[in-house]
Amino acid sequence: AQKVTQAQTEISVVEKEDVTLDCVYETRDTTYYLFWYKQPPSGELVFLIRRNSFDEQNEISGRYSWNFQKSTSSFNFTITASQVVDSAVYFCALSESTDSWGKLQFGAGTQVVVTP
Amino acid sequence: ETGVTQSPTHLIKTRGQQVTLRCSSQSGHNTVSWYQQALGQGPQFIFQYYREEENGRGNFPPRFSGLQFPNYSSELNVNALELDDSALYLCASSFGTGGLYEQYFGPGTRLTVT
Repeated sequence: AQKVTQAQTEISVVEKEDVTLDCVYETRDTTYYLFWYKQPPSGELVFLIRRNSFDEQNEISGRYSWNFQKSTSSFNFTITASQVVDSAVYFCALSESTDSWGKLQFGAGTQVVVTP
Repeated sequence: ETGVTQSPTHLIKTRGQQVTLRCSSQSGHNTVSWYQQALGQGPQFIFQYYREEENGRGNFPPRFSGLQFPNYSSELNVNALELDDSALYLCASSFGTGGLYEQYFGPGTRLTVT
């Protein structure tokens, strides 16, 4: 069963608009990690952020921010003032403590298209 | 750039053949994980190597095998290639094993099986 769901297949915005990407996860573990990765057309996955299950504090890092809510099993990601270079596929991923080796379980990804 | 390199960049093989993909981990990293990414999908975990031993495996058949060398570089071998093996193969290195450590990905090898 899919443990990470990214319901949005594609989001198109005009430059400078904000973009929020949704991620819903499923796990029975009490200790787990959540990640966001970016995959530009070149194909390389770029690590963006990681949160552990004990830290629900939402933060802002530059133009990126995230909203982690355990009550709804959601880990949403926002790009503020989008730029054309933000165009990429964004993946949410889960790492459960029962997988001691840190296997990443990815969602299907959301394609973000930013037009000038 | 992450410092993780993969070779070759692209590869075309015929069904039934065997293929070897290579990955050099980032300096200081002792763990390498391999993922398969089919077109339009998220990456799927194949297996992980930690200090030259297989440390975990996903839902892939035994014809997918690997190695890790003393310098922590790694190989992914696939025998008896099938058409469904066509995908982008990504390797990721990390300082250790477990979700505590970020995995840094290479640019991938795109394998086409005809």
